[in-house]
Amino acid sequence: QKEVEQNSGPLSVPEGAIASLNCTYSDRGSQSFFWYRQYSGKSPELIMSIYSNGDKEDGRFTAQLNKASQYVSLLIRDSQPSDSATYLCAVRLNAGNNRKLIWGLGTSLAVNP
Amino acid sequence: GAGVSQTPSNKVTEKGKYVELRCDPISGHTALYWYRQSLGQGPEFLIYFQGTGAADDSGLPNDRFFAVRPEGSVSTLKIQRTERGDSAVYLCASSQGARETQYFGPGTRLLVL
Repeated sequence: QKEVEQNSGPLSVPEGAIASLNCTYSDRGSQSFFWYRQYSGKSPELIMSIYSNGDKEDGRFTAQLNKASQYVSLLIRDSQPSDSATYLCAVRLNAGNNRKLIWGLGTSLAVNP
Repeated sequence: GAGVSQTPSNKVTEKGKYVELRCDPISGHTALYWYRQSLGQGPEFLIYFQGTGAADDSGLPNDRFFAVRPEGSVSTLKIQRTERGDSAVYLCASSQGARETQYFGPGTRLLVL
């Protein structure tokens, strides 16, 4: 079982719709969770970070974390064509000296005008 | 302020050659990370520095890979006897603070012929 799993997609939504991206992780000791956006040929760019159970909202983006279910999601409201990219979920243990991020393969999102 | 910078942006080399990839982190960031990313994959952790020392080098694939950060700022990833399988985008990230959000540079695209 991969440590961080995401549906590879592509996820296709019409402009203005809500895009829902999901991520599950295997290590219950995970403490920090991140969503990065990556455009083709570019490096990952941080969208959201979340550390506590519940929802965290930032503009059109909402991250949701459920540690009991080992699940983190990203909702994008009022999706725009410029949101079309690969969304990477990353998880960190925060245990001892462990600072590395464990990444999913990414979900490709296409927002259609 | 300036973000993470990486040089060169592209590197083409022949199998068996030695290459050095450079990363200049965000000023004041004490933690520095190297990842590599192959097409269609999430980033794969290689090594993490806290200051001058390698705090976690568990991701280095073999002894052909080595990284240094002698003054706690700029880091160099060194690959000896390159192989075609080393071809990937090599990403550098830096972070600071308790939450340690990682910010990525533009990457170096390495192609081993």
